Amino acid sequence: QLVESGGGVVQPGRSLRLSCAASGFTFSTFGMHWVRQAPGKGLEWVAVIWFDASKKYHADSVKGRFTISRDNSKNTLYLEMNSLRVEDTAVYYCATDRGKRGWFDPWGQGTLVTVSS
Amino acid sequence: QSVLTQPPSMSAAPGQKVTVSCSGSSSKIGNSYVSWYQQFPGTAPKLLIYENNKRPSGIPDRFSGSKSGTSATLGITGLQTGDEADYYCGTWDNSLSVWVFGGGTRLTVL
Repeated sequence: QLVESGGGVVQPGRSLRLSCAASGFTFSTFGMHWVRQAPGKGLEWVAVIWFDASKKYHADSVKGRFTISRDNSKNTLYLEMNSLRVEDTAVYYCATDRGKRGWFDPWGQGTLVTVSS
Repeated sequence: QSVLTQPPSMSAAPGQKVTVSCSGSSSKIGNSYVSWYQQFPGTAPKLLIYENNKRPSGIPDRFSGSKSGTSATLGITGLQTGDEADYYCGTWDNSLSVWVFGGGTRLTVL
């Protein structure tokens, strides 16, 4: 099970940190992703982190502003979001990487981030 | 504009069959597994098909997947009104080290 938290309303240019608490599986052995969905739009991949945090990749749309990280001792995934823009408004989902970037399962329920002045 | 191309919408009658296409390129789909996700309004996506054509436990065999070259297809037979949802394909782009999704297909069962 994955449970996201940390969403809310934030002004443009400010920062926010999302968390994703994992349970029911050996978190430290799986890569993890963040995926977002703007209102009324499709899914957009945001970032991935390897099981041991040895590698991280971010989408071009967030590169340099967002950072994915994890704490395996706490079974928790994070997304640090800086310099937020109105277009970052979306529901943010965390998802477990399976088959080494083969598929996502399970997904969290999502947390809404609204960037607005 | 999504990197993987899906029809924005499709419709079919209950009991019929529908195929949803997902078109990419050699670096996207061509060299990686494709997975499919089902999403109902207001809920998180759910895995439907993985490794091109495998179904997770609990997914009915009415759902099937296939891949040929740089295209993939999701098939749904015996359509039910409960299948009305958005469907997304996705794959890992090994050359760019990014995951890519299709734009999604809204299925209407009327």
